Amino acid sequence: DAKTTQPPSMDCAEGRAANLPCNHSTISGNEYVYWYRQIHSQGPQYIIHGLKNNETNEMASLIITEDRKSSTLILPHATLRDTAVYYCIVRSGTYKYIFGTGTRLKVLA
Amino acid sequence: EAGVAQSPRYKIIEKRQSVAFWCNPISGHATLYWYQQILGQGPKLLIQFQNNGVVDDSQLPKDRFSAERLKGVDSTLKIQPAKLEDSAVYLCASSLAPGDYGYTFGSGTRLTVV
Repeated sequence: DAKTTQPPSMDCAEGRAANLPCNHSTISGNEYVYWYRQIHSQGPQYIIHGLKNNETNEMASLIITEDRKSSTLILPHATLRDTAVYYCIVRSGTYKYIFGTGTRLKVLA
Repeated sequence: EAGVAQSPRYKIIEKRQSVAFWCNPISGHATLYWYQQILGQGPKLLIQFQNNGVVDDSQLPKDRFSAERLKGVDSTLKIQPAKLEDSAVYLCASSLAPGDYGYTFGSGTRLTVV
């Protein structure tokens, strides 16, 4: 399973876009990029996933580079409730999620 | 829809004691997962069930951990005997199928071994 690298922490002003980067340089052609987040004292929550194309849903947008070696999760208008640990995961055909330590995002008022 | 239910929410035991955690997945979800999350780390998969059969238990410390999923619905995870290093949050998750997009996680059981 491909490994991901994320910055340990980031700050973002409330109302601004939060851009969370992830490197997955060893990703292979059939592996999806998934993003989850974990708010304090809760289980992880699914956000979005993608293979090659950029994706958008009601929570966020996912931008995957053309070579698929990195991606960015975008929260367009961050709120205080978006303060959480964000995990970028590459999922292989075994369907297992291998979580790293994620990025701790703090949204500042 | 109702989420993944887990109980108890918190548990404190002494080392060498036994403990059991319970999980009720989302109705109709065939795949169930148990994860262990040590403080400051991401969750680590312990075991995966498909209906009532084990798909992957390669990371389960089988000398002390056991899990079952009777009738393909509820599941229990047991630790016997517990060690100090078992202190963690135990998360249960479920999905319709192994390849289903996105798991739903429960809020977890926080275990403290003293």
